[in-house]
Amino acid sequence: SQQGEEDPQALSIQEGENATMNCSYKTSINNLQWYRQNSGRGLVHLILIRSNEREKHSGRLRVTLDTSKKSSSLLITASRAADTASYFCATGPNSGYSTLTFGKGTMLLVSP
Amino acid sequence: EAQVTQNPRYLITVTGKKLTVTCSQNMNHEYMSWYRQDPGLGLRQIYYSMNVEVTDKGDVPEGYKVSRKEKRNFPLILESPSPNQTSLYFCASSPSDRVGIQYFGAGTRLSVL
Repeated sequence: SQQGEEDPQALSIQEGENATMNCSYKTSINNLQWYRQNSGRGLVHLILIRSNEREKHSGRLRVTLDTSKKSSSLLITASRAADTASYFCATGPNSGYSTLTFGKGTMLLVSP
Repeated sequence: EAQVTQNPRYLITVTGKKLTVTCSQNMNHEYMSWYRQDPGLGLRQIYYSMNVEVTDKGDVPEGYKVSRKEKRNFPLILESPSPNQTSLYFCASSPSDRVGIQYFGAGTRLSVL
């Protein structure tokens, strides 16, 4: 069952600009994760935020989580052409083993 | 190097010809999973396994089989492939904590004619 929904579906920006992607989900979660996928390749884990956290940073990535609104955002600052990829949010359920449910992704294009 | 290895990377086959896509991980992870990725549909889970001899259906299990006889291997079997199984397939593994960070293979692009 699809839990996370990313918004927008596609985003096109210039190098140096910031990119913001949003994710909404439906049920209680243990954690929310963001993954990146370069064209046709396997997903790579970027960052995880737990349900009791509100914000987390990793390098140029900033993730926020609002459990009352069941939403998260991923901000990539000072984007580079190499950031061009699809970005997926994935949610881990609040009970039971953490099988992740992925959204459909946001396709980010960063032009030089 | 810690990795999840899928084989083959590319496969073209015909309807009804049984095939197996292998997946192996060298990280001693308990949890393994198969996904298919289709345009506009994102990643959908086919089957997962929490440990040896423990497997369960995901969201789209029809037409697929799996087995987990060893911890490191989790093959995906298509007994009678059909064109609607043409897709990009990913295997992933995860350690047995409740965090669930997953490590993905490079993918297998399957075309069923």
